[in-house]
Amino acid sequence: EDQVTQSPEALRLQEGESSSLNCSYTVSGLRGLFWYRQDPGKGPEFLFTLYSAGEEKEKERLKATLTKKESFLHITAPKPEDSATYLCAVHYGGATNKLIFGTGTLLAVQP
Amino acid sequence: SAVISQKPSRDICQRGTSLTIQCQVDSQVTMMFWYRQQPGQSLTLIATANQGSEATYESGFVIDKFPISRPNLTFSTLTVSNMSPEDSSIYLCSVEKNRGEETQYFGPGTRLLVL
Repeated sequence: EDQVTQSPEALRLQEGESSSLNCSYTVSGLRGLFWYRQDPGKGPEFLFTLYSAGEEKEKERLKATLTKKESFLHITAPKPEDSATYLCAVHYGGATNKLIFGTGTLLAVQP
Repeated sequence: SAVISQKPSRDICQRGTSLTIQCQVDSQVTMMFWYRQQPGQSLTLIATANQGSEATYESGFVIDKFPISRPNLTFSTLTVSNMSPEDSSIYLCSVEKNRGEETQYFGPGTRLLVL
């Protein structure tokens, strides 16, 4: 069964304490893996798209990497404003543009 | 990216009634989608809104319950019909700007509570 699993479900960090979020997937024919940030009461905000194993993307304190089975979102020296739910989604083979989402990691960064 | 707005932003409705949610994009887009995000759960695709033809529904979702319109390349509506408390959720519109681009951009969502 095609599936996307994110871990941990929740993560609490001190400001400046770097860490990583994990997204593992079991789909055939991956066409893209996406990371989104979602703040309470808002829609998901697009962060990155990764297409192939070995690819990396960076934006400010965030860096996303991709292997054949999983993706990591590395957060370097986080700030309280990085607190949010981080969602991973995959787009896999087929004619439709269907995304399968994970349940997200709720990140809290304390000052 | 794309600037996407949704109306209403939130609503409280009585069971048995219907609510129509609007999604407006600031530029023409090829693909528009409707998702549901139930409390504590991930986003689930309801349907793809096709311009000029019937929407394509995912397994578990039917047109009678969730009729969708897309009259042009910048606007779509989702109706939640004959609502029950189980329909309480956040409903999200997303767009793909160009065919093959694959990245989807999301609207702010409509938070629905059914009593």
